[in-house]
Amino acid sequence: QSALTQPPSASGSPGQSVTISCTGTSSDVGGYKYVSWYQHHPGKAPKLMIYEVSERPSGVPDRFSGSKSGSTASLTVSGLQAEDEADYYCSSYTGNNNFVFGTGTKVTVL
Amino acid sequence: QVQLQESGPGLVKPSETLSLTCTVSGYSISSGYCWGWIRQPPGKGLEWIGSIYHSGSTYYSPSLKSRVTISVDTSKNQFSLKLSSVTAADTAVYYCARAYFDWSLWGQGTLVTVSS
Repeated sequence: QSALTQPPSASGSPGQSVTISCTGTSSDVGGYKYVSWYQHHPGKAPKLMIYEVSERPSGVPDRFSGSKSGSTASLTVSGLQAEDEADYYCSSYTGNNNFVFGTGTKVTVL
Repeated sequence: QVQLQESGPGLVKPSETLSLTCTVSGYSISSGYCWGWIRQPPGKGLEWIGSIYHSGSTYYSPSLKSRVTISVDTSKNQFSLKLSSVTAADTAVYYCARAYFDWSLWGQGTLVTVSS
C-alpha cells in the first residue's frame, strides 16, 4: 500500500484559512469513512484532530474541519493561529485491519 | 487517564533485532481496542508498522511483514515490537498508540538509531 499523497507545504496569515488535501484510492480514502487527521509538533506525540472524515474529538477547536470527496480528503484550518503551525498527517483505514498514513504537510503561519 | 510509554534500547546494530515495549497505564489492554506501532524516520513521514488487537490477532504493514512481530503480555499490560534484520533505514522515532479506526492516543515516542 502506498502512502496517501499530501502537499509538502501550506501557509497562511493569522486569521486566514488553509486547506490540506489527502489523495488516495478507492482502496483506502475512497472506500471507507475512517479517514483521520493528526497534528504533529516536532518532538511531541501526534494529536488526533479529526476522525471519521469530519468528526472532532473533544477539546479540538471547531476551527478544524474535515471533508471528503471521492478518494480525496481535506482538512481545513480556519482562523489560523500561531500554535497551528505544525506538520499535519492524514490516515486511512485500508481494510483487513491495515492502515496507511499520508506523506505529511508542513503548515506555516506567516 | 490512559497513558502509553515506549521503552527499549536507543541503539541497535545493523542486522540485529530491534525490540521495544509499550507499557499501558490506566486501561487494560485485554479490554479492547487496537494497539499498534508507528514510526517516523528522520525528516520523513509517519509509517504504520502493525497492530495487535485485544484478541491477540496481529496485522502488519505489507512492506515490513517479513521482519515484524508484535505481541502482547496482558499480565504486564504491555505490548511489544520486534523488527529483525535492521538497517540504517530503520532508524526512526517509534511510537506506540491506541486505535479504534483512528489513532486517538499516542506515546511520546522513542528514537532508535541503527548503527555499528
